[in-house]
Amino acid sequence: KAGVTQTPRYLIKTRGQQVTLSCSPISGHRSVSWYQQTPGQGLQFLFEYFSETQRNKGNFPGRFSGRQFSNSRSEMNVSTLELGDSALYLCASRLAGDEQFFGPGTRLTVL
Amino acid sequence: GQQLNQSPQSMFIQEGEDVSMNCTSSSIFNTWLWYKQDPGEGPVLLIALYKAGELTSNGRLTAQFGITRKDSFLNISASIPSDVGIYFCALKTSYDKVIFGPGTSLSVIP
Repeated sequence: KAGVTQTPRYLIKTRGQQVTLSCSPISGHRSVSWYQQTPGQGLQFLFEYFSETQRNKGNFPGRFSGRQFSNSRSEMNVSTLELGDSALYLCASRLAGDEQFFGPGTRLTVL
Repeated sequence: GQQLNQSPQSMFIQEGEDVSMNCTSSSIFNTWLWYKQDPGEGPVLLIALYKAGELTSNGRLTAQFGITRKDSFLNISASIPSDVGIYFCALKTSYDKVIFGPGTSLSVIP
C-alpha cells in the first residue's frame, strides 16, 4: 500500500509570491491534516479536512488555506509569502482513530 | 492555549544505555501520543495511551500515561543507533486537534 505522498519535495519562492502544495493520502483515508514544522515553533497544526470539508483549523492567518477534492487529495495554499513561512510542511492522513500517517513533507524556502 | 513541555530538549547517550524522556501539559487530556521523526521524514506513531496510569510497550519502548493526566513518560531500553531522531509527545484535544510538544532530540553514540 503506498504511503502519503507530497509534492513537490522542495520549493524556493520569493516574498510576496504564492505557493500551492499537494498531498495524496493513503488510499481509503478520508482525513487529511496539514502541519507546519519549524525549528523555533515545532510542529503546528494548520487544518484538517474530511470528505472535502474543513473540520478543524489551527491559529494561522488567512493567507494559509486548503481544500480537499473528492478523491481525498488535498492542496494547501499560502498567499503573499513571508520569510517566516519558510518551513517543512507535513501532510498526514488517517482512516479512523488516532494514528496519523505522515508524508515526507515539502521543504519551502522563502527568499 | 494548551502548552506542552518536553524534557530533556536533547540527549547524547552511549549505545546500549536506557533513555527516559517526559512530557507535561498545562491541562488534563484523555489521549497521549508518542511519535518519532527520523531525519528527512515525517513523524511515525510509536505508542498511544488512553487511560490514566496506563503502561504500554512497543518492543524496547515503554510509555506511561501519568495518573494526574497531565504528564507522560517514554522509556527506551538498550538504545541502538537507529533510535536516533526526534521524539515528540502529542495530545489530542476535545476538538480532535493534535498538539505536538517541542520534541526531544536523541543522539546515540556507537
